[in-house]
Amino acid sequence: GAGVSQSPSNKVTEKGKDVELRCDPISGHTALYWYRQRLGQGLEFLIYFQGNSAPDKSGLPSDRFSAERTGESVSTLTIQRTQQEDSAVYLCASSFYLTGGRDYGYTFGSGTRLTVV
Amino acid sequence: GIQVEQSPPDLILQEGANSTLRCNFSDSVNNLQWFHQNPWGQLINLFYIPSGTKQNGRLSATTVATERYSLLYISSSQTTDSGVYFCAVQYNTNAGKSTFGDGTTLTVKP
Repeated sequence: GAGVSQSPSNKVTEKGKDVELRCDPISGHTALYWYRQRLGQGLEFLIYFQGNSAPDKSGLPSDRFSAERTGESVSTLTIQRTQQEDSAVYLCASSFYLTGGRDYGYTFGSGTRLTVV
Repeated sequence: GIQVEQSPPDLILQEGANSTLRCNFSDSVNNLQWFHQNPWGQLINLFYIPSGTKQNGRLSATTVATERYSLLYISSSQTTDSGVYFCAVQYNTNAGKSTFGDGTTLTVKP
């Protein structure tokens, strides 16, 4: 697609429920990233996918968080047993990978605003 | 991990003024990006600039990788330039993730 698409744009959920967030990257971008941004704060890295390589999960805050990506397409971020501290905007970005000569700048989606009540 | 410091944290300008935002980083980096987050939360990539100088209209950026800093210049600022400017660095060739600074919040007054 023309840009990175995220859905839903807003999600309100009750504490303890599971949620699934979706990211559709730009076609041809092999790298995909998830970040979290709490209100008034910077971006916190969660997970990174590159092609068929094992994902870098080093930023996932707990085992309640997981993410999947099939090949170079859609990714889903799942948060189980949501807590109030999970409330944030979840941002997805995609880019080309580091293989010489290209602009590897990230393109971000509009984010999913998650509110846990 | 790598430390990314941005300054100043807040900046208030009158429309038409120029400004310089700074990003310092604690280790050698493979790439560096500047982003603008508008008041609606959308992040826009301004520059991918691991080294050297780039210009795009009223905006330009310079990265001096050997001295571990980058500068973003905004000339003839407009109210639409308001928002948060983030610097993001990647320091490991085999790890695509970037570490973001805490940002500079710019307010341009008419």
